[in-house]
Amino acid sequence: GAVVSQHPSWVICKSGTSVKIECRSLDFQATTMFWYRQFPKQSLMLMATSNEGSKATYEQGVEKDKFLINHASLTLSTLTVTSAHPEDSSFYICSARDPGGRYEQYFGPGTRLTVT
Amino acid sequence: DQQVKQNSPSLSVQEGRISILNCDYTNSMFDYFLWYKKYPAEGPTFLISISSIKDKNEDGRFTVFLNKSAKHLSLHIVPSQPGDSAVYFCAASGSGTYKYIFGTGTRLKVLA
Repeated sequence: GAVVSQHPSWVICKSGTSVKIECRSLDFQATTMFWYRQFPKQSLMLMATSNEGSKATYEQGVEKDKFLINHASLTLSTLTVTSAHPEDSSFYICSARDPGGRYEQYFGPGTRLTVT
Repeated sequence: DQQVKQNSPSLSVQEGRISILNCDYTNSMFDYFLWYKKYPAEGPTFLISISSIKDKNEDGRFTVFLNKSAKHLSLHIVPSQPGDSAVYFCAASGSGTYKYIFGTGTRLKVLA
């Protein structure tokens, strides 16, 4: 149980375009999901906390107008990278909080975004 | 500032021996700690966790030790297997936020 999927697994887009990444909890309902990004050989940096039915909470330094997060249902959160630039190229990972209310998060497989 | 640090970027261990991965933190408000294993281009996989009210938690080959006074935790893997080769991240959470602060990661290589 507790499987989280992401789509797409990789995407290449041109500068100036927008890209949407989906995160789904497949066998449980997730009231809270998280979005991270990871640069090569670096740690996972939390970008934002996504709560179903309310606005996302962004970490300091993350542009909310650039990284739009929507958590429209208990099984789906989306991250849209707007007006993408090459520096947005990264590995984006989502996670969902354990449905039993514990601290553990279950992570999706990640999405590799390359902006050309 | 890096609130959670893993000072060893890499570690090599012989198969069958013990692997010890270390993690230090600075924020005394953290009250829950976790270890995740990660392969390249994949999401992290949960291994083991520990609450700040405990000093040890064991699950099969994995044991996590917490020293609150030193703000230090460690993950012991015994015996180490080649399949354990991956990057290991420690993560800390606190004050009921459920947010994680990840460490910088340690790449473990278990040699056959």
